[in-house]
Amino acid sequence: AQTVTQSQPEMSVQEAETVTLSCTYDTSESDYYLFWYKQPPSRQMILVIRQEAYKQQNATENRFSVNFQKAAKSFSLKISDSQLGDAAMYFCAYRRLLSGNTPLVFGKGTRLSVIA
Amino acid sequence: NAGVTQTPKFQVLKTGQSMTLQCAQDMNHEYMSWYRQDPGMGLRLIHYSVGAGITDQGEVPNGYNVSRSTTEDFPLRLLSAAPSQTSVYFCASSPTSADTQYFGPGTRLTVL
Repeated sequence: AQTVTQSQPEMSVQEAETVTLSCTYDTSESDYYLFWYKQPPSRQMILVIRQEAYKQQNATENRFSVNFQKAAKSFSLKISDSQLGDAAMYFCAYRRLLSGNTPLVFGKGTRLSVIA
Repeated sequence: NAGVTQTPKFQVLKTGQSMTLQCAQDMNHEYMSWYRQDPGMGLRLIHYSVGAGITDQGEVPNGYNVSRSTTEDFPLRLLSAAPSQTSVYFCASSPTSADTQYFGPGTRLTVL
C-alpha cells in the first residue's frame, strides 16, 4: 500500500523568507501524481501544486515550487517570499494513475506559521 | 460554476441518530469521493464512486452508506451515529479517477 510521510509536524518562517516542507512517499507504481494541498483555518482544501511522475521538470506555481526526486521518492514544497496568508496546514498527497479506486493518500500534514 | 458544494456546514447529532451529508458538483465529474479528517490523521477515504450507479468502499467505510443516482450528487448517510464519527467530512470530485481532486468546504460533525 502507498504511504505518504511528512516528517515535520510544524514549521515556521519569517515573512518574505523561503521555507521548504518535506514529503516522502512509498509506492511500487511508476505512474502517479503528487500534490500539495493547503488547508487554512477556514478548513477549505486548496490545491497548491501538482506534479506528474512522468515529468522530469519540477512543477512551479508563482511562489510555490517543488523538488521532485523520483528515485528517492521525495517531493518537497518550497515557498518563496512567504506571506502571512501562507500560514496553514500543508498536506502532501499521492494518487495512482489508474482507473477504479484511486483515492488520494495523504500525509499527516505540516503546520506552517508565518512570523511578521 | 459553484464547484463542489456540501451541506450542512455544521451538525450536532445524538448517538443513534441518522442523517445525510449532501454533496453536489456542477463540473460533470465522474469520480466523487468522501473523506473524513481527524486530528493527526490526515484525510482518509470513506467511499468513492467512479460514475452514476457505481460506488465502492474506501479505507474506513463502516457506519456509512452512499449512493450515486446522478452524476452531480453523492450523499453520505450515517445510519446510526456514534461518537467515533465525530469528524470533519470532505467531499471531493475529479473528471476521472486519474485527475486532480477538488474539495468541498467540509462539514464539521459532532456526535454526542
